[in-house]
Amino acid sequence: EAEVAQSPRYKITEKSQAVAFWCDPISGHATLYWYRQILGQGPELLVQFQDESVVDDSQLPKDRFSAERLKGVDSTLKIQPAELGDSAMYLCASSLPSPETQYFGPGTRLLVL
Amino acid sequence: QQQVKQSPQSLIVQKGGISIINCAYENTAFDYFPWYQQFPGKGPALLIAIRPDVSEKKEGRFTISFNKSAKQFSLHIMDSQPGDSATYFCAAWYNYGQNFVFGPGTRLSVLP
Repeated sequence: EAEVAQSPRYKITEKSQAVAFWCDPISGHATLYWYRQILGQGPELLVQFQDESVVDDSQLPKDRFSAERLKGVDSTLKIQPAELGDSAMYLCASSLPSPETQYFGPGTRLLVL
Repeated sequence: QQQVKQSPQSLIVQKGGISIINCAYENTAFDYFPWYQQFPGKGPALLIAIRPDVSEKKEGRFTISFNKSAKQFSLHIMDSQPGDSATYFCAAWYNYGQNFVFGPGTRLSVLP
């Protein structure tokens, strides 16, 4: 069964450092999402791509976060500089053009010290 | 108006019992309501979903009940099993947007 791949699974970094997360969506899925999930809460959308174009990044803190999907396949989410409040699970999901069914990856758990 | 409220925050049920989780929304533009199951350390996985043109959908032990007039929907897990212990999220999708709005989650524990 096809799955969304994410790496790393865990990341510990110090405040003010840069971190990057990678996501490889299910083959053929044109839509890719990055979510942030704070412990004990539901996922919150950070950015959505349709192929290589950003569809929605209204909730992305653009002063420190950036995301790209250069060839419309895999994607990278970057945080620079990381802050203590960025500690969370970062989830990637992908879907066909109809977003009704999103498939989530296992996530990257970030801890900022 | 984009918020989805979910209750209870946590739920403990005996094996074989019925687990019920409730969600409510305000935005009448929402037209797709999925439930996700998430185990610790894993991403959410789609469990079951419903559109507002039906009042109930059943898949195995899982049933969604939908009340359009009350703007509420609920997940019922029949014959709950210890393997059902997970966090459950309701969500809603609005057709002019391309993203889901998730509820805050319910942590279910099924005791053996």
